[in-house]
Amino acid sequence: DIVMTQSPEYLGVSLGERATINCKSSQSILYSSDFRNYLAWYQHKPGQPPKLLIYWASTRESGVPDRFSGSGSGADFTLTISSLQAEDVAVYYCQQYYSSPHTFGGGTKVDIK
Amino acid sequence: QVQLVQSGAEVRRPGSAVEVSCKASGGTFDTNAITWVRLAPGRGLEWLARIGPLLEITNYAQRFQDRVTVTADTSTNTAYMTLRGLTSEDTAIYYCARTQGDGSGYYFHYLDVWGNGTPVTVSS
Repeated sequence: DIVMTQSPEYLGVSLGERATINCKSSQSILYSSDFRNYLAWYQHKPGQPPKLLIYWASTRESGVPDRFSGSGSGADFTLTISSLQAEDVAVYYCQQYYSSPHTFGGGTKVDIK
Repeated sequence: QVQLVQSGAEVRRPGSAVEVSCKASGGTFDTNAITWVRLAPGRGLEWLARIGPLLEITNYAQRFQDRVTVTADTSTNTAYMTLRGLTSEDTAIYYCARTQGDGSGYYFHYLDVWGNGTPVTVSS
C-alpha cells in the first residue's frame, strides 16, 4: 500500500495569514501515461462529511474559494490556504488514488492562533 | 445534483455484524463507484472498500478484506457495506462517497460527493 505522510499534525495560524500543509507519498503518484498526479485534498469539519477541495493535485473543485491551492508533483505535495479565515478551521487530509487502496494521510488540524 | 443518504446510527455487540446503506438521491451511480471510508475516534480517515456498480468490481483494503463486503443494487441506486466480527475498535462514523471514474467502469479517482455518515457504536 502507498503510505501518505502529512505534516504538521497541528497548525496554528493567525487570521489572514498563510497556512501550508505538506503531504508526502511513499512512492511517486505521477502517472506517466497522462502526466497527472493522482492526489486529492479534503476538508473535514466536526459533524459534517468531508468535503473535496482539490483533485489532480492542483485542480480546485467547483465552489471552493480561490484562497485554497494545491501544488507539487511526484511524491511531494502542498495545500496552501493563502489567507486563513475563521471558517477554515478543520482537519485537512490528502489522499492518493494512484493505486488501491486509495490511502489517506493522517490529517492536519488547522486552528486559529 | 446527486446526494447520498445513509442509514441511521447503529449499536452492536462485539462479534456481531452491521450493514450500512447508501442511497443516491436525485441521480444514479452511473459509471461512478461508491467508496466506503470511516473515521474512528482519535484517528484519521480510513479507506475500507470500493464498488463500481456498473461492472460490480470491488476492491478491499487488505486489513478489512476478511470482514467487509460491499454490494450495490443499481435498480434502487443503493450501495451497502457489511462489516462482520465487530470489536470496539470498529466504533466509528462510516461514510459512503461517490467516486469519480474515467467512464470505463474500471478506474476510479477522487471522492466528490459524500454521504451524511452513519455512526456505529460497538459496545457490550
